[in-house]
Amino acid sequence: GNSVTQMEGPVTLSEEAFLTINCTYTATGYPSLFWYVQYPGEGLQLLLKATKADDKGSNKGFEATYRKETTSFHLEKGSVQVSDSAVYFCALSDKDSSYKLIFGSGTRLLVRP
Amino acid sequence: DAGVIQSPRHEVTEMGQEVTLRCKPISGHDYLFWYRQTMMRGLELLIYFNNNVPIDDSGMPEDRFSAKMPNASFSTLKIQPSEPRDSAVYFCASSLGFLADNKAKNIQYFGAGTRLSVL
Repeated sequence: GNSVTQMEGPVTLSEEAFLTINCTYTATGYPSLFWYVQYPGEGLQLLLKATKADDKGSNKGFEATYRKETTSFHLEKGSVQVSDSAVYFCALSDKDSSYKLIFGSGTRLLVRP
Repeated sequence: DAGVIQSPRHEVTEMGQEVTLRCKPISGHDYLFWYRQTMMRGLELLIYFNNNVPIDDSGMPEDRFSAKMPNASFSTLKIQPSEPRDSAVYFCASSLGFLADNKAKNIQYFGAGTRLSVL
């Protein structure tokens, strides 16, 4: 079945450091891929998405490229801020899962001043 | 738009009591989802509705859980009787469309969640 695997956290960085959160997926078809972010005490918010191979999703300085050859969708940001501290979820959706969102386990990011 | 609205934000109850969680989706959205989030199991989809009709309830853990959507602007998730292992954060989400031929519509908007503690 479809699945999403994320790197385990927490990830602790200093402000202005470079961020990478790894995400790989398993799917039989051509899924859409998403990154959601959950700030403390809040629900999940869509951060960015990509719907086909080689697409790059971007938002708020974050980027992720849909790599079909490596079945990956790694999240990157060149310079993190304290306000980026949150839990980040990678997710996929495709026909085989009836287009339901399949989430990874989440990666907690803590950015120190 | 106010977004997806859930109530209450926090619920503390005793084992055996009935618990009702409420959700108001974004106006115009035709899909509604209920999720449960725990440290052990992460985010789990419990059930989802399309145009007020339950489509897939395979994630509902057991018969103690039930969900209804009497109209397009309101849904409830009920647990009766509640047990300590039901303690979790319950999220409601809604989306506009869920179509295979328009992947861009498959964006779910989440409420702030209800934190349930069953003592």
